[in-house]
Amino acid sequence: GAVVSQHPSRVICKSGTSVKIECRSLDFQATTMFWYRQFPKQSLMLMATSNEGSKATYEQGVEKDKFLINHASLTLSTLTVTSAHPEDSSFYICSARDSGGGDEQYFGPGTRLTVT
Amino acid sequence: AQKVTQAQTEISVVEKEDVTLDCVYETRDTTYYLFWYKQPPSGELVFLIRRNSFDEQNEISGRYSWNFQKSTSSFNFTITASQVVDSAVYFCALKDQAGTALIFGKGTTLSVSS
Repeated sequence: GAVVSQHPSRVICKSGTSVKIECRSLDFQATTMFWYRQFPKQSLMLMATSNEGSKATYEQGVEKDKFLINHASLTLSTLTVTSAHPEDSSFYICSARDSGGGDEQYFGPGTRLTVT
Repeated sequence: AQKVTQAQTEISVVEKEDVTLDCVYETRDTTYYLFWYKQPPSGELVFLIRRNSFDEQNEISGRYSWNFQKSTSSFNFTITASQVVDSAVYFCALKDQAGTALIFGKGTTLSVSS
C-alpha cells in the first residue's frame, strides 16, 4: 500500500530556533499534500494545502510567514516552523494525495515537536 | 459548510461489551466520502474505513461494523465484543470536493478495561 513518511518523528528545539519537518510519499507521486496540527487531546486541524511547484494555501489564522511550506518535488513537502515558541509545541501530521487518480489520501506517522 | 460532529467525548466500557461511536456530518455536496480513523497513543492514524455517499450499504469487518444513513447524516461505528486493544481515540472525517483535505470531528476517546 501507499506509504507516507515523516522526518523527524520527534524533535525538541529551543525557543527562537527554526525546525524543518519533511513529508515524503514513498511509492507514489503527490502533487498535493496537506499539513495538519494536533494539540493534546484535540482534533486534527488543517493548517495548509501544499501544491507542487506553487505557493501553499493557508487556512485562516495560520501565519504563512511562521509556517513555511515548500513542495519542491512530487514526493516531498517540507514544513518549517520559524522562530518557534513553546505554544508551537504540537503533533504535526501530513497527508499526501495520490496523483495517480482516485483522490486517495494517505497520512504520515506524524512529528511531535516540543519547543523548550 | 462542512462539519463533522462526534458528540461523545469519552466512552468507557468493560471488555466484551459492544460500543457504538456516533458521527454526524454536514455537507452541501452530493458526492462526498466518510472515514473512520483510529489513533492509538503512538499518534499514528490508522485507517479503518472509507465510504462514498452513493453506497449506503452497511459494512462489517470482523468485530467492526459501520452504519451509514444519509437520511440522518450519520455514519456510526460499532465495535462488537470490545477488547483492551481497542482503547484509542477514534476520529470520523469527511471529504467532499475532489482534491481537498479531510475535515475531522473532535474524536471520541474509547477506554476498554479488563
